[in-house]
Amino acid sequence: EVQMVESGGGLVQPGGSLRLSCAASGFTFSSYWMSWVRQAPGKGLEWVAGMNQDGREKYYVDSVKGRFTISRDNAKYSLYLQMNSLRVEDTAVYYCATSSGWSFGYWGQGTLVTVSS
Amino acid sequence: QSALTQPPSASGSPGQSVTISCTGTSSDVGGYNYVSWYQQHPGKAPKLMIYDVSKRPSGVPDRFSGSKSGNTASLTVSGLQAEDEADYYCCSYAGSNHWVFGGGTKLTVL
Repeated sequence: EVQMVESGGGLVQPGGSLRLSCAASGFTFSSYWMSWVRQAPGKGLEWVAGMNQDGREKYYVDSVKGRFTISRDNAKYSLYLQMNSLRVEDTAVYYCATSSGWSFGYWGQGTLVTVSS
Repeated sequence: QSALTQPPSASGSPGQSVTISCTGTSSDVGGYNYVSWYQQHPGKAPKLMIYDVSKRPSGVPDRFSGSKSGNTASLTVSGLQAEDEADYYCCSYAGSNHWVFGGGTKLTVL
């Protein structure tokens, strides 16, 4: 059974940092492009960042470029999102998701990041 | 990259059909046959319902169908059931390994 469990969310002040983790199981992690997708409270989904299978290609939505870094450890079946210089508008539930082809096939349950003073 | 445009709400009675639209541009919806749709129940993670415009993943009922014409994609839910009540989001590949989502549509089963 495919399972992805995010962790690392919490309350942080503006300008602060957080590192999210996503632990995957039930599929061959190294064979999948992976992404982070976020959802602000009461709002829609937003693709944030994506990474190819070997970690050499990384892509970001413009609003997080230069502040967020996506990474992965295929040996540990894990995906990460390092978030620096956090802003109030980064407050959201962050989901990790597999990218199967050109869609997002499997999702974790999400982890809430709250940026507030 | 601007979000795709979806109606905020849609509704239908049990057994009826409802169609949700998703409008983008020639740089996303119109430029690629890579539109996907997601169902999200309150407090839950999104679930893939349609991919590559009109393909259904294993386990998704054939009551769900997708199509595209120009810059507008559509999701049709036929034979509405109570459990179909949820938020629905469209998503399109936007080139250069970027994706864009719609704002979401709340589907109510009357």
